Amino acid sequence: DVKVTQSSRYLVKRTGEKVFLECVQDMDHENMFWYRQDPGLGLRLIYFSYDVKMKEKGDIPEGYSVSREKKERFSLILESASTNQTSMYLCASSLGGQPKFGNGTRLTVT
Amino acid sequence: AQSVTQLDSQVPVFEEAPVELRCNYSSSVSVYLFWYVQYPNQGLQLLLKYLSGSTLVKGINGFEAEFNKSQTSFHLRKPSVHISDTAEYFCVVSDVAGRRALTFGSGTRLQVQP
Repeated sequence: DVKVTQSSRYLVKRTGEKVFLECVQDMDHENMFWYRQDPGLGLRLIYFSYDVKMKEKGDIPEGYSVSREKKERFSLILESASTNQTSMYLCASSLGGQPKFGNGTRLTVT
Repeated sequence: AQSVTQLDSQVPVFEEAPVELRCNYSSSVSVYLFWYVQYPNQGLQLLLKYLSGSTLVKGINGFEAEFNKSQTSFHLRKPSVHISDTAEYFCVVSDVAGRRALTFGSGTRLQVQP
C-alpha cells in the first residue's frame, strides 16, 4: 500500500527548541507539501516543493523552514518553537493528480 | 493564483435528509478538484475526485459531486445522510500541471442529527 509517513503522531516540545517534523513518501511523487490545521482556520499551506532541493513559500512560512535533499523526504523545521506553533501538521505528496496525505503530527509547544 | 471558497462553515441536517455542501473555486489554469472528509480525530480521506471526463463524479459512501466549469463550482451532494456522515469536509483544488500547491477550502462541518 502506497503511503505518506509522518515520523511522529504526537510531539511535545519546549519554547525555543529546534523541531524537526519528517515526512516520507514511497510513491516517487515530485510534489510534497506541509500544512498546518487549526480549528476554524482549515488547512493552511506552510511550504511546498516540486523537486529535490526546490522549495516555495506557502501562505504562512514565517517561523518555519524546509529541507528536501531526497525526492522521498520533505522535512519541516521550526527554528525556534513558539506556543503559537502548537497545531496539527499534515504532510502530503502528489504527482499532479490525487494528493495523498499522512496521518498528521500533533505538536504541542509548552 | 488559485482559491477555494466553501460557502458554509456548518451545515446541520436531520438524518435521511439530502444535503449539498457548496464549493466554488478560481484559477487561471486547468484544475483537478477533490473532496476530502475528516472524521473526528482522524486523518483526511478522499471522498471523490474530478480529473477529466464526465462532470458528475461518484465517490465513496454515496456522495457525488458535479463539476460546473462555467460557474467554477464543485458542489458535493448526498441524497440521504446518516449519523456516521458527521464530519468536516474539505474542497481541494490542484492545478493540472502539479506545479502549484494544493489549495484547501476552509472546511464545512456537517452535523447530522437524529
